[in-house]
Amino acid sequence: QSALTQPRSVSGSPGQSVTISCTGTSSDVGGYNYVSWYQQHPGKAPKLVIYDVTERASGVPDRFSGYKSGNTASLTISGLQAEDEADYYCCSYAGGYNSLFGGGTKLTVL
Amino acid sequence: EVQLVESGGALVQPGRSLRLSCAASGFIFDDYAMHWVRQPPGKGLEWVSGITSNSGATGYADSVRGRFTISRDSAKNALYLQMSSLRDEDTALYYCTKGNSHDSSGLFDSWGQGTLVTVSS
Repeated sequence: QSALTQPRSVSGSPGQSVTISCTGTSSDVGGYNYVSWYQQHPGKAPKLVIYDVTERASGVPDRFSGYKSGNTASLTISGLQAEDEADYYCCSYAGGYNSLFGGGTKLTVL
Repeated sequence: EVQLVESGGALVQPGRSLRLSCAASGFIFDDYAMHWVRQPPGKGLEWVSGITSNSGATGYADSVRGRFTISRDSAKNALYLQMSSLRDEDTALYYCTKGNSHDSSGLFDSWGQGTLVTVSS
């Protein structure tokens, strides 16, 4: 069970778009359509943003979108806003009732 | 409104045991899988363990398998994590999380605020 691979950090200016990648293997990301994304602000509990690869959680603006190709999933945030600055984590079902998180990506809004 | 309230975190010596609890409310507890996710100070999230709604299936991260046991009590709407042979690397904030179906894994739609476990001599 190795953690999914995410970039340590990404950045963008307000109004721009950023994409965060999440790379796994055919045993996790590539093998199931059960990839989710979480947003975590400092000192707060994580919040579900995207589930089942592309579905937005309740109350999440349509600026957030998810995608998957092969063993890599992606989270795109368009029209960046200051409040989007946070840590983002991907997670995938990994078979055998196991789950696997990515290492996390720090998003900085310039 | 879904509420998940963890308790039981403490400072404990290596090799000792500890039991975490999570009180759930605001949803039909018996209908949903539940999971524990932890976060070491200043580090990322790690899935620890999960259990289906009827306790028919459980899963554990390699790092805790054989030392931790997850369970649930439908009469008390409670989730538990029995931790034994604790190690320094188990130091973390432990979150109780809710799945979105009776057997969901890899998806956590509600989170508690966490309970802190510190393993140190």
